[in-house]
Amino acid sequence: GQNIDQPTEMTATEGAIVQINCTYQTSGFNGLFWYQQHAGEAPTFLSYNVLDGLEEKGRFSSFLSRSKGYSYLLLKELQMKDSASYLCAVKQAGTALIFGKGTTLSVSS
Amino acid sequence: DTEVTQTPKHLVMGMTNKKSLKCEQHMGHRAMYWYKQKAKKPPELMFVYSYEKLSINESVPSRFSPECPNSSLLNLHLHALQPEDSALYLCASRETGAGANVLTFGAGSRLTVL
Repeated sequence: GQNIDQPTEMTATEGAIVQINCTYQTSGFNGLFWYQQHAGEAPTFLSYNVLDGLEEKGRFSSFLSRSKGYSYLLLKELQMKDSASYLCAVKQAGTALIFGKGTTLSVSS
Repeated sequence: DTEVTQTPKHLVMGMTNKKSLKCEQHMGHRAMYWYKQKAKKPPELMFVYSYEKLSINESVPSRFSPECPNSSLLNLHLHALQPEDSALYLCASRETGAGANVLTFGAGSRLTVL
C-alpha cells in the first residue's frame, strides 16, 4: 500500500519563510516531486528529489530523507502569488505519480 | 512547443450523451496520462499510455474509454456518465527513458455531468 501525508492548510505572511512537510510510506520509491497548483489550473512542476539532500531552485528548495520517508518544500520571501495548493507526489518504479492530498497555502499581506 | 493542450476547456453533458476529451502534445513524449481531479482533492491516476499502448488502467469504469491514436494525441471517450463523474480531467505527458520523470500537465477539461 501507499500513504502520502501533508498538512491540509497553512498560512503565512508576505516576505516570510514557510516549510511544507510531506511524509510517505510506499512499497517502492523512484523519486519525490513537488507541484504547485493554483485554483482551477494545471499542476506545475517545482522540484524533484531522488537522492537524500537539499535541492535549491531560486526561492524554492526541497529536501529529501529516504530513510525517514520525509520531504519538505521550503518557500522563501513569500509573495501573494505563492498562494496555491502544493502537492507532494511519489513515483514508484514502473508507475505514474501518486499524489498526496495537497497543502493549501494562503499568503497574506 | 512545451505545452500539453486539452480541449474542450469546459464540457457539460447529460447522462445519456457521448462526448470526448482530447489531449495533444508535440514534445515527443511517449508516455501520456489521464488524471481525474475533484475539487480540493489531489489528481487521481486513471490511465497511462506508453508508446501508444495502454500500460496502466487504475480500475476505471468502462464508461471512460481511453484511446491513443498516435504518439501526439490522447483521447478520453465518455459515455453514460454519472453526476459524480463531474471533475477536472487532466492530461499529462513525460519523456521516457532513464532519468525522465517530470510530468507536464495540460490545463484540464472541466466536465459537468447533469
